[in-house]
Amino acid sequence: GESVGLHLPTLSVQEGDNSIINCAYSNSASDYFIWYKQESGKGPQFIIDIRSNMDKRQGQRVTVLLNKTVKHLSLQIAATQPGDSAVYFCAENVDGTSYGKLTFGQGTILTVHP
Amino acid sequence: GAVVSQHPSRVICKSGTSVKIECRSLDFQATTMFWYRQFPKKSLMLMATSNEGSKATYEQGVEKDKFLINHASLTLSTLTVTSAHPEDSSFYICSARRLAGGRDTQYFGPGTRLTVL
Repeated sequence: GESVGLHLPTLSVQEGDNSIINCAYSNSASDYFIWYKQESGKGPQFIIDIRSNMDKRQGQRVTVLLNKTVKHLSLQIAATQPGDSAVYFCAENVDGTSYGKLTFGQGTILTVHP
Repeated sequence: GAVVSQHPSRVICKSGTSVKIECRSLDFQATTMFWYRQFPKKSLMLMATSNEGSKATYEQGVEKDKFLINHASLTLSTLTVTSAHPEDSSFYICSARRLAGGRDTQYFGPGTRLTVL
């Protein structure tokens, strides 16, 4: 079946560096994408989303890039801080179907060293 | 932001007993909620879609008679793990779907750690 996957399962960076987390998706019909952050023992926390009619969206210290040609999604975190250490998941949805059901990628563990 | 709570946060039970987990949307109404299961260092696996006032829709391979879902109101969905066994031990997470401002977003609860002895 269709699925969302990640290129890198782990990522270690130094505090202050920029982080880039990647995600590949396979469902060409997906038109809504979300990044979630999950800290240990907690539920996922919404970070940022993007629709397929956009290729870039910025938030506070985070930017999501979408390349529909190669079905690739990335999350950029500027000036990474120790508090950013967590597992990051991308998720996709085909708008208007399945009551908003999301398909999650496998996750990337981000570790930020002080 | 939207808040979703789960209760209990942690539960330990004996094999063969049933456990009920509650999921509440605190500041918005959710006609649709989702239940996920997550194993250590793994991604979220969707178990079922809970729709207020109708039967839940289960994902392939999820036993509906074992994982009973009731969505009795626009702010509450419950998951009951019946006749729990050690292999049911996991982290269970719910989410509530919010449709507002042209956006369709899921907000997640903090999760419930179930340990079956």
